[in-house]
Amino acid sequence: ETGVTQSPTHLIKTRGQQVTLRCSSQSGHNTVSWYQQALGQGPQFIFQYYREEENGRGNFPPRFSGLQFPNYSSELNVNALELDDSALYLCASCVWDRRGGELFFGEGSRLTVL
Amino acid sequence: DQQVKQNSPSLSVQEGRISILNCDYTNSMFDYFLWYKKYPAEGPTFLISISSIKDKNEDGRFTVFLNKSAKHLSLHIVPSQPGDSAVYFCAASANFGNEKLTFGTGTRLTIIP
Repeated sequence: ETGVTQSPTHLIKTRGQQVTLRCSSQSGHNTVSWYQQALGQGPQFIFQYYREEENGRGNFPPRFSGLQFPNYSSELNVNALELDDSALYLCASCVWDRRGGELFFGEGSRLTVL
Repeated sequence: DQQVKQNSPSLSVQEGRISILNCDYTNSMFDYFLWYKKYPAEGPTFLISISSIKDKNEDGRFTVFLNKSAKHLSLHIVPSQPGDSAVYFCAASANFGNEKLTFGTGTRLTIIP
């Protein structure tokens, strides 16, 4: 149990549609990251939010956007869906200190684009 | 360009023996390395980490070794147990404390009873 919950767990969309994925982090974890895991691949960093502002972005186009809210919840929005967007989307919250840190991942939202 | 590589997609080990999972990286800016374990239908869970100032970190049955000159790290599990069967991901970060992790493609470990 990581304390990170994601919804929905599965969803199907068609090309061109828009999708919103949601994440609820542990209280006190003020940083949230989103990752995309395609089939047979490792998770790829999409972006990170810290105190409700984007604080780092991977190699993803602007149609991937996010929001973070004061209540430790966040959203990942993807516009103009493409077939290659089909993947498992993972949300992770984090605690870091000088000794190290770890990301706590949710179970993911599996998106299928037809 | 795959900056973190796990060249063995799968590994089978007898229960009680040692499991060794390997990981190579190319980016010399990486200074913090982590191993994650993933069961089906679950998110990855943190297992163990090591910073670049160390060459070994141990936590119970799990030990991670880092060879900076070879840009190679390995995870040793001993003794291996059936519950260790999962996909293991190696991940790396540049600038300690940066949450942008670069993951490998994973190794599926199967422990044979």
